[in-house]
Amino acid sequence: RKEVEQDPGPFNVPEGATVAFNCTYSNSASQSFFWYRQDCRKEPKLLMSVYSSGNEDGRFTAQLNRASQYISLLIRDSKLSDSATYLCVVTITGANNLFFGTGTRLTVIP
Amino acid sequence: EPEVTQTPSHQVTQMGQEVILRCVPISNHLYFYWYRQILGQKVEFLVSFYNNEISEKSEIFDDQFSVERPDGSNFTLKIRSTKLEDSAMYFCASRTRQTTDTQYFGPGTRLTVL
Repeated sequence: RKEVEQDPGPFNVPEGATVAFNCTYSNSASQSFFWYRQDCRKEPKLLMSVYSSGNEDGRFTAQLNRASQYISLLIRDSKLSDSATYLCVVTITGANNLFFGTGTRLTVIP
Repeated sequence: EPEVTQTPSHQVTQMGQEVILRCVPISNHLYFYWYRQILGQKVEFLVSFYNNEISEKSEIFDDQFSVERPDGSNFTLKIRSTKLEDSAMYFCASRTRQTTDTQYFGPGTRLTVL
């Protein structure tokens, strides 16, 4: 069973576009939620935590729907530097490791 | 800004050989992790380490694997007899005490088993 599922993409969008990624998680005991960014052959880096009330960080907005076990990430005004793989990540109550989705690949085109 | 460091960046070894991957976690962090990522696949948890002992491990972390904190700064992953399928990127991560705290990842060691 996959703990975290994401559409692998790729998403190819022009600069300035708005793009949204979705993620579902299977374990109702999931406790904390994150979006990480991973550049090619690099380590995952935290983009933002996801809170129940939704949260925004500049051009990035994350939403969590616990009832549907669904997480989303919205990127507005896409930049070339946003090109990366976006990883949906959860933790589960009682376990302190991270569970990663396979990632969604984004390419922003000039 | 403090960061997790890992050495070597790339390790090439022959099947059946032992390898040791090294990590220096962030100095005030208390929980340490190893993850791996096979090329084209997701990041997978291997093991977590706290208070000088393994706190959790996944099914991947079998008897071939071991971890150690030999001194106050290093955290190592040993693979006793490497297999072809051990070829992957190995990431070390660390965090402070709180379970909701961010895990910070090192740059990874690319292990290639020939």
